[in-house]
Amino acid sequence: GAVVSQHPSWVICKSGTSVKIECRSLDFQATTMFWYRQFPKQSLMLMATSNEGSKATYEQGVEKDKFLINHASLTLSTLTVTSAHPEDSSFYICSYLPGTGGTEAFFGQGTRLTVV
Amino acid sequence: DAKTTQPPSMDCAEGRAANLPCNHSTISGNEYVYWYRQIHSQGPQYIIHGLKNNETNEMASLIITEDRKSSTLILPHATLRDTAVYYCISTGTASKLTFGTGTRLQVTL
Repeated sequence: GAVVSQHPSWVICKSGTSVKIECRSLDFQATTMFWYRQFPKQSLMLMATSNEGSKATYEQGVEKDKFLINHASLTLSTLTVTSAHPEDSSFYICSYLPGTGGTEAFFGQGTRLTVV
Repeated sequence: DAKTTQPPSMDCAEGRAANLPCNHSTISGNEYVYWYRQIHSQGPQYIIHGLKNNETNEMASLIITEDRKSSTLILPHATLRDTAVYYCISTGTASKLTFGTGTRLQVTL
């Protein structure tokens, strides 16, 4: 199956700083990637859809100025958590659907963010 | 996406079949049933999907009722490595997924 590499796998940062998370598709081009967030003991919640070469679309309630998404190439999407606060501590996961007509989404291994 | 209902948790002895039920009574005609699982602190992993017919692959079997209002994921010989949260999703798109609370399967010796 397709391989999605997410980096870093975990990160600890201080309140007020920004953190960038990378999501790379290693063997397929991805015009669209998806970013999810998962709080402890909860399910995954879709945050935004990342579109190559254009602006991301955000789900209701997700602050676009806080969670900056850049999808500058067909193999890389980045999520930057700006001015992080402890309540942003979560597990962030990216996914994509390879090719056209793909039938299964592939997920990165996730990034655990802890803001202290 | 149609709403799905799953039991919050299940236990299964290693080597036995694990049968995980899912109710999707409001599923529409163009929606598929997808199953993913999430092992602790990892990203979800695709297992199987189907529309009307039963499906089988190297990981599992998917049994969908004739009225499509419910389905069962079968892991034929569960191992400790199958311990995970299993998500049943009914959706018309394979990409943008709405995850419910899933079933936490605990496989025991």
